Amino acid sequence: GAVVSQHPSWVICKSGTSVKIECRSLDFQATTMFWYRQFPKQSLMLMATSNEGSKATYEQGVEKDKFLINHASLTLSTLTVTSAHPEDSSFYICSARGGWLPADTQYFGPGTRLTVL
Amino acid sequence: GESVGLHLPTLSVQEGDNSIINCAYSNSASDYFIWYKQESGKGPQFIIDIRSNMDKRQGQRVTVLLNKTVKHLSLQIAATQPGDSAVYFCAENGSNYKLTFGKGTLLTVNP
Repeated sequence: GAVVSQHPSWVICKSGTSVKIECRSLDFQATTMFWYRQFPKQSLMLMATSNEGSKATYEQGVEKDKFLINHASLTLSTLTVTSAHPEDSSFYICSARGGWLPADTQYFGPGTRLTVL
Repeated sequence: GESVGLHLPTLSVQEGDNSIINCAYSNSASDYFIWYKQESGKGPQFIIDIRSNMDKRQGQRVTVLLNKTVKHLSLQIAATQPGDSAVYFCAENGSNYKLTFGKGTLLTVNP
């Protein structure tokens, strides 16, 4: 199956700093990448949809100026959490679709654990 | 609004037993559903999917049943093993390929 990676797998930062998370599709060209957030013992909540070469589309209630998404190539999307605060601590997961995959199939990355002190 | 939910938040079974995890969805227009397994600290892993023109689909040790009349989805795991212990999510594929996830069921397999 297709492989999606994320980096870093975990990160700890101080309140007020910015953190960048990378999502890469390793063996297919990802036309679309999705970013999710998951709090402990809860489900995945879609934050935004990222299409290569265009601006991301954010879900209702997600601050686009706080969660900056860049999908500069068909294999890389980045999520930057700006001015992070403790309430941003969460598990961030990306998924990707496109290339040779069936149109409605998404593969998920392993997630990035963000802890803001 | 659209939602996908689960009847049971936790399920505990004995090794070797069959497990059944349920899911209810509200959007009758949904035509594609997926079950994911998520182990602690990891991303979701695809298990099996089903389209609305089917009512049953089988994989290796897993079967998904779809009842469109009552908008209900279930995942059956045969001969459950300790390695099956995880949280299981159903997901509904909506417009623009966006997934809406259910709340999840924690499956615990006792040896």
